[in-house]
Amino acid sequence: RKEVEQDPGPFNVPEGATVAFNCTYSNSASQSFFWYRQDCRKEPKLLMSVYSSGNEDGRFTAQLNRASQYISLLIRDSKLSDSATYLCVVNPPGFQKLVFGTGTRLLVSP
Amino acid sequence: EPEVTQTPSHQVTQMGQEVILRCVPISNHLYFYWYRQILGQKVEFLVSFYNNEISEKSEIFDDQFSVERPDGSNFTLKIRSTKLEDSAMYFCASRGPWSEKLFFGSGTQLSVL
Repeated sequence: RKEVEQDPGPFNVPEGATVAFNCTYSNSASQSFFWYRQDCRKEPKLLMSVYSSGNEDGRFTAQLNRASQYISLLIRDSKLSDSATYLCVVNPPGFQKLVFGTGTRLLVSP
Repeated sequence: EPEVTQTPSHQVTQMGQEVILRCVPISNHLYFYWYRQILGQKVEFLVSFYNNEISEKSEIFDDQFSVERPDGSNFTLKIRSTKLEDSAMYFCASRGPWSEKLFFGSGTQLSVL
């Protein structure tokens, strides 16, 4: 089983739509979880950390389900500028490294 | 916002040549990383560096790779004898002592011919 698994997409949605991405991770003892955004051929940028209680930042909501080893990201009222690849990222226990999923590509059209 | 800077942005080299990729992490950060991303693939961890030594490395980071922090500001990745499969975008990253947030540089695109 891959350490971090994501549906690569692409997800094609119209502006204003709500879209959700999911991610599963294999190491049940992982402690830290993140969503990063990556634009084409650019560096990853932290979008938000994911907390056990779930958290929201504007139009973005992240959820963590430890029992199912599952992380989600919900984007409401999609904008054209949301078009990017969304990377699910996990910090395995006892390690300093971050483990990246392959990313889910989102295309928002007018 | 403070930035991690990487130079050069593009590097073209011949197979078998040595390359050095350079990074200037954010000044008060203590943890430094190199990641790479082959075109169309995921971001992969190479090495982490703390307190002037390697704290963790991946299977990719073999004897051909080395890292150094020569002067307290620069953080370099050296590939001794490049192979075609080393062609990738190499990202440097750093983080502060009390934060999980990783700041990435804009990357060096390495092309091995």
